[in-house]
Amino acid sequence: KQEVTQIPAALSVPEGENLVLNCSFTDSAIYNLQWFRQDPGKGLTSLLLIQSSQREQTSGRLNASLDKSSGRSTLYIAASQPGDSATYLCAVVNTGFQKLVFGTGTRLLVSP
Amino acid sequence: GAGVSQSPSNKVTEKGKDVELRCDPISGHTALYWYRQSLGQGLEFLIYFQGNSAPDKSGLPSDRFSAERTGGSVSTLTIQRTQQEDSAVYLCASSLELGSNQPQHFGDGTRLSIL
Repeated sequence: KQEVTQIPAALSVPEGENLVLNCSFTDSAIYNLQWFRQDPGKGLTSLLLIQSSQREQTSGRLNASLDKSSGRSTLYIAASQPGDSATYLCAVVNTGFQKLVFGTGTRLLVSP
Repeated sequence: GAGVSQSPSNKVTEKGKDVELRCDPISGHTALYWYRQSLGQGLEFLIYFQGNSAPDKSGLPSDRFSAERTGGSVSTLTIQRTQQEDSAVYLCASSLELGSNQPQHFGDGTRLSIL
């Protein structure tokens, strides 16, 4: 059974810092990995999707990497801003399946 | 529409009542998914649709839960004889098609509270 873990559970940083969020998964037979952000009382916003054959994806100040063999992904946020404050979730789709299996999330607070 | 639309946004009902939750996916998306987010369990998969058929219902927690999709578009999740443990946020997502490495896009959810 796929299990997805995110570390740290919570992170507080001052504005302007670069930061890394970690995601690990137990079964490396994944089809893709997706990073989301969730604002309080809202649904999930898709940030980046990395296919199993890819090593990284970039969008603006966000960069996500994938090391499938070691079961790890990282989300790098450059020059953090207060508007980045949210819960960040990673999720994987296992090969042969369609559903997302979610991690436990990292709650990020960026202070002005 | 521009995004996935869910209704109602909030629902409060008494234990034992039936509830219906609605999801309107992004236009042109053939795959539709239901998830549940609760404090104790995190985000968990319930069911997905390809067109009007549901190949994987493995996440439905009991036979009180059912879902259907008509016309390859709108989906309804029904919970019969609601229990307090059904209280959660029910999230719907859609994607262009299955197996295409396309991201799943989520609605804002329905917050269900069972009194």
